[in-house]
Amino acid sequence: EPEVTQTPSHQVTQMGQEVILRCVPISNHLYFYWYRQILGQKVEFLVSFYNNEISEKSEIFDDQFSVERPDGSNFTLKIRSTKLEDSAMYFCASSQSGVGDTQYFGPGTRLTVL
Amino acid sequence: GENVEQHPSTLSVQEGDSAVIKCTYSDSASNYFPWYKQELGKRPQLIIDIRSNVGEKKDQRIAVTLNKTAKHFSLHITETQPEDSAVYFCAARDSNYQLIWGAGTKLIIKP
Repeated sequence: EPEVTQTPSHQVTQMGQEVILRCVPISNHLYFYWYRQILGQKVEFLVSFYNNEISEKSEIFDDQFSVERPDGSNFTLKIRSTKLEDSAMYFCASSQSGVGDTQYFGPGTRLTVL
Repeated sequence: GENVEQHPSTLSVQEGDSAVIKCTYSDSASNYFPWYKQELGKRPQLIIDIRSNVGEKKDQRIAVTLNKTAKHFSLHITETQPEDSAVYFCAARDSNYQLIWGAGTKLIIKP
């Protein structure tokens, strides 16, 4: 069964550095999402992406964040100038059609900002 | 915006007994309500979902009920087994098409 994949599984960075988290959604899916989960807390919506543009974004998704689909398979989340509070698990998800469709999650990237 | 409240935060039940987790939401326009199961260190996995045109949905030992008037929905797990131990999250798609999650319920199945 096809799965969403994410790389790296764990990223350690220094405060102020830029990181790029990568995701490969399920191949026939059209909608892509990023979520964040701070350790022991709820999953928080960051952004949804469709047709090469952002569909929706939450208040968390400020100018520090950006998303891109650089080719036909990858979907990336860039975090500029990382802060300590950006430390979290970042999940990518994809769905075949709109938000009401089942979203399939990747295994996550654990980001640690030192 | 949408606010999803989930209770209890921890639920401990004897193996074989039933477990019920409850969620409330605030946005009356919300129309899609999935439930995810997350094992420690793993990705969230959808276990069941319900849309607002349906009051109840069942899949083997798992069922979800939705009361649109009261704006609450519940997850029911019957004949619980040790492998049901995990954190369960409810979520609601709000009028901004964002999936807003509850805080999670840690379900512990006692042997």
